[in-house]
Amino acid sequence: DVKVTQSSRYLVKRTGEKVFLECVQDMDHENMFWYRQDPGLGLRLIYFSYDVKMKEKGDIPEGYSVSREKKERFSLILESASTNQTSMYLCASSLFHGTLGNGYTFGSGTRLTVV
Amino acid sequence: GESVGLHLPTLSVQEGDNSIINCAYSNSASDYFIWYKQESGKGPQFIIDIRSNMDKRQGQRVTVLLNKTVKHLSLQIAATQPGDSAVYFCAGEGGAGSYQLTFGKGTKLSVIP
Repeated sequence: DVKVTQSSRYLVKRTGEKVFLECVQDMDHENMFWYRQDPGLGLRLIYFSYDVKMKEKGDIPEGYSVSREKKERFSLILESASTNQTSMYLCASSLFHGTLGNGYTFGSGTRLTVV
Repeated sequence: GESVGLHLPTLSVQEGDNSIINCAYSNSASDYFIWYKQESGKGPQFIIDIRSNMDKRQGQRVTVLLNKTVKHLSLQIAATQPGDSAVYFCAGEGGAGSYQLTFGKGTKLSVIP
């Protein structure tokens, strides 16, 4: 069974800390994504990557950066955590663009609280 | 840009009845749509998808209908079960060359035993 694994289910960090959220997929997928999910706002795309060392900004990249040194791993970095970054973070991957039956596969999410 | 929304934030259905969850989109260039199910504490799970050259696609107990004229898609769940209780999202891809999915805000489906 294919899997997207996020390293932490719950994290509590202090304002100003540098935070790393890790995501690993075992499906040899080309594309990987980071979303945040907030009540009333739905899922919003932060960054995505369609190849190793490639990255593209999504809709809300401010305050975040990403790293993709290996195909299977996509890291989200909060350079200096702030309370408005308290959210559920979801990682996803996909094999091909828009191919039927190959929808995005999501991880279980990391609920980050910044205090 | 793409805007994807859902008509109702909550839906309550009697067990055994059929459920219909609706979604509207704004980008007429969108060529691929997905429905996801998200149970409490879990990540979204792929249910079914459809391309813009189709108007209907069926899975196991689920059917997605796409009406490109009015930019509307729906998810139909037959014989709704308690395990179907979840939040359902539609998502649209922005057309050729776009890797991004835009998600609706979700409809919470509650199944009444």
